Amino acid sequence: DVKVTQSSRYLVKRTGEKVFLECVQDMDHENMFWYRQDPGLGLRLIYFSYDVKMKEKGDIPEGYSVSREKKERFSLILESASTNQTSMYLCASSIGRENIQYFGAGTRLSVL
Amino acid sequence: GENVEQHPSTLSVQEGDSAVIKCTYSDSASNYFPWYKQELGKRPQLIIDIRSNVGEKKDQRIAVTLNKTAKHFSLHITETQPEDSAVYFCAASNSNTGKLIFGQGTTLQVKP
Repeated sequence: DVKVTQSSRYLVKRTGEKVFLECVQDMDHENMFWYRQDPGLGLRLIYFSYDVKMKEKGDIPEGYSVSREKKERFSLILESASTNQTSMYLCASSIGRENIQYFGAGTRLSVL
Repeated sequence: GENVEQHPSTLSVQEGDSAVIKCTYSDSASNYFPWYKQELGKRPQLIIDIRSNVGEKKDQRIAVTLNKTAKHFSLHITETQPEDSAVYFCAASNSNTGKLIFGQGTTLQVKP
């Protein structure tokens, strides 16, 4: 069974804080993705990575950065959290470019 | 840019009835179309997918149809059951980018 693990289910942070969201997958997948999920907007892609140390901007990268130092780990960084970044964040991984994406359980982030 | 429109946003049916969710996509190079189901508080999980060389695919009570000319695809659930109640997302991708573009989601409620 593919396992994609996100480090926190719930997180509460203050405006201006630096926030790290961690994601680890155990299936040796090349591709990893970060999405945010908001009601009525579906899943929107923030950043993705096809390999270690590689990163590509998704559709809404502003205010975010990522790090992929190891194949199994993909981190999402909010350099200075703002209230409009309050959301559910989902990590996913896949092998190949058309194949199934497996999702983590999500991190619900509240920025106060 | 690339876009996937999904309708309806909410759908309520009686147990045993059929449910249909429709999606249209803008990128004519799209060639992979997965459908994800997300139960309340859980991660999205793939339920069925279709590739561009196929017009229809079935798996027990669910089926997906694809019309490449019209750039739309649909999810059909027959003999709905209360456990089918969830949010359903369609998505489209092409092998050039490897990104999934998600629709806005459909909340399906199956009334017993």
